[in-house]
Amino acid sequence: GQNIDQPTEMTATEGAIVQINCTYQTSGFNGLFWYQQHAGEAPTFLSYNVLDGLEEKGRFSSFLSRSKGYSYLLLKELQMKDSASYLCASQDSNYQLIWGAGTKLIIKP
Amino acid sequence: GAVVSQHPSRVICKSGTSVKIECRSLDFQATTMFWYRQFPKQSLMLMATSNEGSKATYEQGVEKDKFLINHASLTLSTLTVTSAHPEDSSFYICSARSLSGYEQYFGPGTRLTVT
Repeated sequence: GQNIDQPTEMTATEGAIVQINCTYQTSGFNGLFWYQQHAGEAPTFLSYNVLDGLEEKGRFSSFLSRSKGYSYLLLKELQMKDSASYLCASQDSNYQLIWGAGTKLIIKP
Repeated sequence: GAVVSQHPSRVICKSGTSVKIECRSLDFQATTMFWYRQFPKQSLMLMATSNEGSKATYEQGVEKDKFLINHASLTLSTLTVTSAHPEDSSFYICSARSLSGYEQYFGPGTRLTVT
């Protein structure tokens, strides 16, 4: 079957580091996406992993382990503007995205 | 990066009327477009997938006669909500993917309110 799990909500402090985990079960796995969504807005692309390992892109990094069906998004030097929902989505062999429910990240000063 | 536009951004209509939402890829050819619906505090829900020049594939539970999707060109897809009811009030978001790409680029969304 197809399933994505990620925490519902997380809280972190400005300037700190936070890791948002995502586990998936996807038939014909074809990559893992992370999107950021601010309230009332459409999602924006953050990262795409199809091979195992860590992809770094500025303050954001994304990790994938295909054997474990596991990914995480790492946000460093947190800023207040990082308060948003972070959506994990796996892609199947038909290029369809299976979406997680999203993790609401709350940044406190 | 690739840009996808949606029009209108907000629409209020009366129950029983129809509303058309346009989704355009501005600087690339979108062979596949996706239509999502998102209710408050919930994740994206895929409604249908459309490939240019062919009929849309609807997800289970989505009425194809109520949500008409047309993907007539490589840069334009439309979603028409027919005989809208208050329960259709939602945030409708389209995304587009090019033939050579893996990423879905999202439009800014359309907030529909049916009174």
